[in-house]
Amino acid sequence: KNQVEQSPQSLIILEGKNCTLQCNYTVSPFSNLRWYKQDTGRGPVSLTIMTFSENTKSNGRYTATLDADTKQSSLHITASQLSDSASYICVVSDRGSTLGRLYFGRGTQLTVWP
Amino acid sequence: EADIYQTPRYLVIGTGKKITLECSQTMGHDKMYWYQQDPGMELHLIHYSYGVNSTEKGDLSSESTVSRIRTEHFPLTLESARPSHTSQYLCASAGTSGSYNEQFFGPGTRLTVL
Repeated sequence: KNQVEQSPQSLIILEGKNCTLQCNYTVSPFSNLRWYKQDTGRGPVSLTIMTFSENTKSNGRYTATLDADTKQSSLHITASQLSDSASYICVVSDRGSTLGRLYFGRGTQLTVWP
Repeated sequence: EADIYQTPRYLVIGTGKKITLECSQTMGHDKMYWYQQDPGMELHLIHYSYGVNSTEKGDLSSESTVSRIRTEHFPLTLESARPSHTSQYLCASAGTSGSYNEQFFGPGTRLTVL
């Protein structure tokens, strides 16, 4: 069964600190993995997209890693800001359909305190 | 942010009412999607479309219906709303070319049925 599991479920950090969010998946055949940021009451916004051959991709203070062998990904946030408070969702796409089927994790709810 | 719009953003209605959630995109994307998301849970695909006059049901069974008469417009209708329909509804679109079939999400409609 294609699944995406994220940890931790929630995380509280102080402004300026770093944090790392984890994602494990069983989706096969694998196409790509994305990290989305979803602010409360808003739609998800893409942060990074990685294919099988990519190990690391950065977008400003966000750095995503992918280990396709162990089917694990992480999202590292550097020097957190209050505006980073949001849900971070790991999404995996399979190669098996023209639909571009996405499999969503439940997200990690990050809260950044001043 | 992508050019995909949803209206209304918030809707509170009584049981038995007919409602239509609007979704429009100006990117000329062929593929469009409706997702349902409850608090703290993953997004579930309820409808999708490959293009004009194409509509399919997604993974999660839903009493809602959709139509795709124009490329840019993908409305979702509930003939008789019930409290169990209370949820957030997210619309997304994706092009057939470009990178990774990336889906762009609208801001969502928060529906509450009393």
